[in-house]
Amino acid sequence: DGGITQSPKYLFRKEGQNVTLSCEQNLNHDAMYWYRQDPGQGLRLIYYSQIVNDFQKGDIAEGYSVSREKKESFPLTVTSAQKNPTAFYLCASSISGDPGNTIYFGEGSWLTVV
Amino acid sequence: GDSVTQMEGPVTLSEEAFLTINCTYTATGYPSLFWYVQYPGEGLQLLLKATKADDKGSNKGFEATYRKETTSFHLEKGSVQVSDSAVYFCALSARYGGATNKLIFGTGTLLAVQP
Repeated sequence: DGGITQSPKYLFRKEGQNVTLSCEQNLNHDAMYWYRQDPGQGLRLIYYSQIVNDFQKGDIAEGYSVSREKKESFPLTVTSAQKNPTAFYLCASSISGDPGNTIYFGEGSWLTVV
Repeated sequence: GDSVTQMEGPVTLSEEAFLTINCTYTATGYPSLFWYVQYPGEGLQLLLKATKADDKGSNKGFEATYRKETTSFHLEKGSVQVSDSAVYFCALSARYGGATNKLIFGTGTLLAVQP
């Protein structure tokens, strides 16, 4: 089945560690996104990529990094510089970056700092 | 800037009751509008969308009409079921960085349907 796969579902990070969240899609979509969701709030955009080897900062990029070496993959690294990383992270994709195209979401990854 | 406002929850209904979740937006130009649903511990699923004024999106008994004159996109369902219990997000699609698709979300409305 086509879709967006995120892993791991649950991840625990110690203070000072970097962790990487995986996102893979087999929808042949050009655009991919990372959103962060905090309790009681809507989603906020961290990074986006319109095409392979290109990515741009979203609204809350500080403390995060990404890469887009392959069309189907868009991993997110949460660095030690992110002061409050505990959240639900959602990867998404759309057929292109043109406004109005439907954005589809993965199942999400829970990150907790211990 | 562009924004979405939706009614605060939780909304608690009995099974077979009528549902309305209000959503209004502020945007320059003519955005596309979406409703997403999130079940506990899961990602977001697209419920319905509308891309221009007076369009009606519908899916699984849910409906919403894009009202440009009132800048609204209210979600309705005639008879809710327990399985509809979830968080519902209203969102608009706006240009970002000059060309890129970006979803701007409301804060979500929790719907709890009791048997």
